[in-house]
Formats: sequence, structure tokens, C-alpha cells
Amino acid sequence: AQSVAQPEDQVNVAEGNPLTVKCTYSVSGNPYLFWYVQYPNRGLQFLLKYITGDNLVKGSYGFEAEFNKSQTSFHLKKPSALVSDSALYFCAVRDMRGAGSYQLTFGKGTKLSVIP
Amino acid sequence: EAQVTQNPRYLITVTGKKLTVTCSQNMNHEYMSWYRQDPGLGLRQIYYSMNVEVTDKGDVPEGYKVSRKEKRNFPLILESPSPNQTSLYFCASRPGGYNLPLHFGNGTRLTVT
Repeated sequence: AQSVAQPEDQVNVAEGNPLTVKCTYSVSGNPYLFWYVQYPNRGLQFLLKYITGDNLVKGSYGFEAEFNKSQTSFHLKKPSALVSDSALYFCAVRDMRGAGSYQLTFGKGTKLSVIP
Repeated sequence: EAQVTQNPRYLITVTGKKLTVTCSQNMNHEYMSWYRQDPGLGLRQIYYSMNVEVTDKGDVPEGYKVSRKEKRNFPLILESPSPNQTSLYFCASRPGGYNLPLHFGNGTRLTVT
């Protein structure tokens, strides 16, 4: 079975500081990994994904994520946080093989608050 | 504009009164899915559809029905809603490739009293 964990319910960071939102996963095969962002009263929006290749993935709005196979992690990062980055962030995983390969499993979400 | 459209955005109903939440996408996507979002639980999949006339259960299908008669539409039906179905519901779609991202609607907030 595939699973994903976001160990922090909330992350607070000062504007201009670097931010990290953590994600770890568990799959039996190789993972497809995604980050989505949800702004208030909106649906989720795709930020970036890791399928294969370079472990550092760049996405929308200046976000990037680093795939670490040995630590089974896919942490979301940004060098300099903006107040407008305040939102709910979801990590998601799909196992490339097995019966679960059609479906995405989402983490519980991490609320990011960027303080002016 | 490419989008997933859900209606209604807000719905308050009573226990046992059948309701339908509609979902339509204009991107010719093969795959569509319904999720519910609850505090502390994240997103959980209710049903999904790989293509027309092909649907399957997700993680929390009890109390829900779906149909996929046309490629663009994927309605979610609650035959006899109960208070534990009070939630925020999202429809999503994507092309057929497993590594492609989902496109989400703006959500339907359902309250069952």
C-alpha cells in the first residue's frame, strides 16, 4: 500500500526567509510525487512533480522540491517566502506499480503561514 | 478557459433528501475523480472513472454513487445523505497518463443537518 505523511500541521515563516514543507512517502515500487497548493475557497492547484531524472524539481511560483530516495522524502522549498504563499499545501504519491498505480494518495496537508 | 466546473458551490440539505453534485470538464480528459476533504484527514478519494462507462470505488465510497455516461460529466449522487457526509467535495480530472497532474474544481461545501 502507498502512503504519504506530512509531519507538520502548520509551518510559520517570516517573509523573506526560506521555507520548507516536509513530506515523506512509502511505496513498494518507484514513486510519482506531486505537490499541490490550496488557497482559501479554491480547489487544489498543481505546483510540481517528480517522475524520474534530476532529484531537484522546479515548479510554479518559485517553488522547488528535492527527491531523496534513501530518506523517502520529497520536501517542498522556496528560497524566499512571500505573504502570498500562505496557503494549504498537499503532498501526494502514486506507486508506479501494483494495483494502486491508478490512484493518488494525498497527505493531510500543511498550513503555511508567512508572517510579514 | 480550461476548467473543471462543480455545482453548486454551497449546499445545505436535510438527512435523507437525495442530492446530486455536478462536475463537468472541458479538457477532454479521460480520468475523473471525486474527493472529500475533512479537517485533519486531508483528501480522500470517493470514486474515480478511467473513461466513459468505467467507474470504480476509491477509499471512502459508502453512501455515494457516480455515473460516467459522457466524457465531460461525472456527477456525484448522495441517495440518502447523512450528517457524516458533511464535507468539502472536490471533482478532479486529468488526461490518461498516470504521471500527469490533476485539475481540480473549486469545491462544493455540503452541510447535511
